[in-house]
Amino acid sequence: DGGITQSPKYLFRKEGQNVTLSCEQNLNHDAMYWYRQDPGQGLRLIYYSQIVNDFQKGDIAEGYSVSREKKESFPLTVTSAQKNPTAFYLCASTVTGGAINEQYFGPGTRLTVT
Amino acid sequence: KQEVTQIPAALSVPEGENLVLNCSFTDSAIYNLQWFRQDPGKGLTSLLLIQSSQREQTSGRLNASLDKSSGRSTLYIAASQPGDSATYLCAVWDTGGFKTIFGAGTRLFVKA
Repeated sequence: DGGITQSPKYLFRKEGQNVTLSCEQNLNHDAMYWYRQDPGQGLRLIYYSQIVNDFQKGDIAEGYSVSREKKESFPLTVTSAQKNPTAFYLCASTVTGGAINEQYFGPGTRLTVT
Repeated sequence: KQEVTQIPAALSVPEGENLVLNCSFTDSAIYNLQWFRQDPGKGLTSLLLIQSSQREQTSGRLNASLDKSSGRSTLYIAASQPGDSATYLCAVWDTGGFKTIFGAGTRLFVKA
């Protein structure tokens, strides 16, 4: 079955440590996205990538970094510079080039930093 | 800057009731509008996508409408069931950038 996988489901880290969240898709989608969700709030865009080896900052990119070396993979690193990293992180993808641009989401990773 | 608002923030209804969730957006220059469902601690599941040239889409007991000129969309749920309890989010694909703008969601609770 085609879809998006995120791992791990739960992640616990000590303050000051960098942590990398995995996102893999087998939908053959060109574009991939990382969102952050906090309780009672909508999704906020961290980074997005329209094509391999290219990515753009979203609305809240500070303290995060990404890479896009393969079409299927878009890992997100939460660095120690991110002041409030505890949140629910969602990865998404979409096909590009058409007018539909329907987004598909992974199951999410809940990160807790203490 | 595009902003998406969903009203109400929370809604509790008895089983069997028909209900309407509202979504408004400030800039009518959109490619499409998408409605999602999110269960607690889970990712988002796409329910319906309406392209900017369309007025409505239907899937089972769900019907979504789009009035682009007034910046509004509604999600109609017929004969609600306890299994419909979840958070419903709407999102617009903005022509001003390669990204989707989300509302904060409506948390729905259907009582058995």
